[in-house]
Amino acid sequence: GNSVTQMEGPVTLSEEAFLTINCTYTATGYPSLFWYVQYPGEGLQLLLKATKADDKGSNKGFEATYRKETTSFHLEKGSVQVSDSAVYFCALSDQGNNQGGKLIFGQGTELSVKP
Amino acid sequence: DAGITQSPRHKVTETGTPVTLRCHQTENHRYMYWYRQDPGHGLRLIHYSYGVKDTDKGEVSDGYSVSRSKTEDFLLTLESATSSQTSVYFCAIKQGAGQPQHFGDGTRLSIL
Repeated sequence: GNSVTQMEGPVTLSEEAFLTINCTYTATGYPSLFWYVQYPGEGLQLLLKATKADDKGSNKGFEATYRKETTSFHLEKGSVQVSDSAVYFCALSDQGNNQGGKLIFGQGTELSVKP
Repeated sequence: DAGITQSPRHKVTETGTPVTLRCHQTENHRYMYWYRQDPGHGLRLIHYSYGVKDTDKGEVSDGYSVSRSKTEDFLLTLESATSSQTSVYFCAIKQGAGQPQHFGDGTRLSIL
């Protein structure tokens, strides 16, 4: 079945460091790919998405490119801030039955940014 | 933010009791979902709905039932709660195929 694998955390970085969080997937067909962010005590917020191969999603300085040849969707940011500290989830949309578009999540990667 | 309200936000109950969680949306979206979040597992789909009275099972549906009698409300019921159902439960909504899901703030459920 479809699945998503993320690099394990926690990831600890200093402010202004470069961030990469790896995400690879296994899927049949052509799923859409997403990154969600979860701040403490809150629900998940959509960070960015890509719907087809070679698409680049971007938002708030974060970027991820849909790489079909390597089945990857790595999240990057050039200069992290303390406010980026959160848990990041990679997900793919499994169309399934009834076009429900169920999301399949990776296990999440906790990011901690120190001043 | 998407208009999603989950209630209650926190609940503590005892093994064997019934529990119902409510998800209410003001967006008139067709699709609604219930997930549970547990350490090391990310989010896992319990049940989802693709219209009023139309529901289907997710990957961890055992011990859970759902109902959707109107567009705005999606109820998750634990008929007889067990300690393994202690978790944080999230509701999500989606407008249509190809659109992203938007999440509520979650319900923290503890079963003693």
